[in-house]
Amino acid sequence: AQRVTQPEKLLSVFKGAPVELKCNYSYSGSPELFWYVQYSRQRLQLLLRHISRESIKGFTADLNKGETSFHLKKPFAQEEDSAMYYCALSGISGYSTLTFGKGTMLLVSP
Amino acid sequence: DGGITQSPKYLFRKEGQNVTLSCEQNLNHDAMYWYRQDPGQGLRLIYYSQIVNDFQKGDIAEGYSVSREKKESFPLTVTSAQKNPTAFYLCASSTQGANGELFFGEGSRLTVL
Repeated sequence: AQRVTQPEKLLSVFKGAPVELKCNYSYSGSPELFWYVQYSRQRLQLLLRHISRESIKGFTADLNKGETSFHLKKPFAQEEDSAMYYCALSGISGYSTLTFGKGTMLLVSP
Repeated sequence: DGGITQSPKYLFRKEGQNVTLSCEQNLNHDAMYWYRQDPGQGLRLIYYSQIVNDFQKGDIAEGYSVSREKKESFPLTVTSAQKNPTAFYLCASSTQGANGELFFGEGSRLTVL
């Protein structure tokens, strides 16, 4: 069975500090991993996907198959980064039947 | 204005009653999904549909039913058999081969009294 684990329910940092939101996964095949974000009073939306190897809003995430991890990082947190972050894994059935982690709330204080 | 529309935003029902949540999309997406979001539980997949007149159970389908008679619509019925129906329900859609990009609605909050 596939599983996504986000060990931290809440991560609180000061503005300008580095941020790392942890994500570990369990999957027998070749994984596709994603980070979704939900800002206050906004819809849940895709932040980035590992296959794109892109940086969005200063965030990056590298897939580490050896450690089965897909941690989300940003070198300098901004107050507007405060949101709920979900790590997700693509299912074997194709399309986008994603398995989500329980989420980490990031709070960036001034 | 393109997107996914869920209605109603808030819904109250008495125990033993069925209730149907609406989800409509005008993005011309093939696939549609229903997720349940509970505090501290993340999102869990209830049902999904890859094409009209076809749908599959997700991880927590018991007590729920769906239909997909039109490409644009994917209503979810929460039946009286669902033991803990009070939750926030999210509908999403995606294109074929979307590589994980789901477009979500604003959600419907169901409270059972």
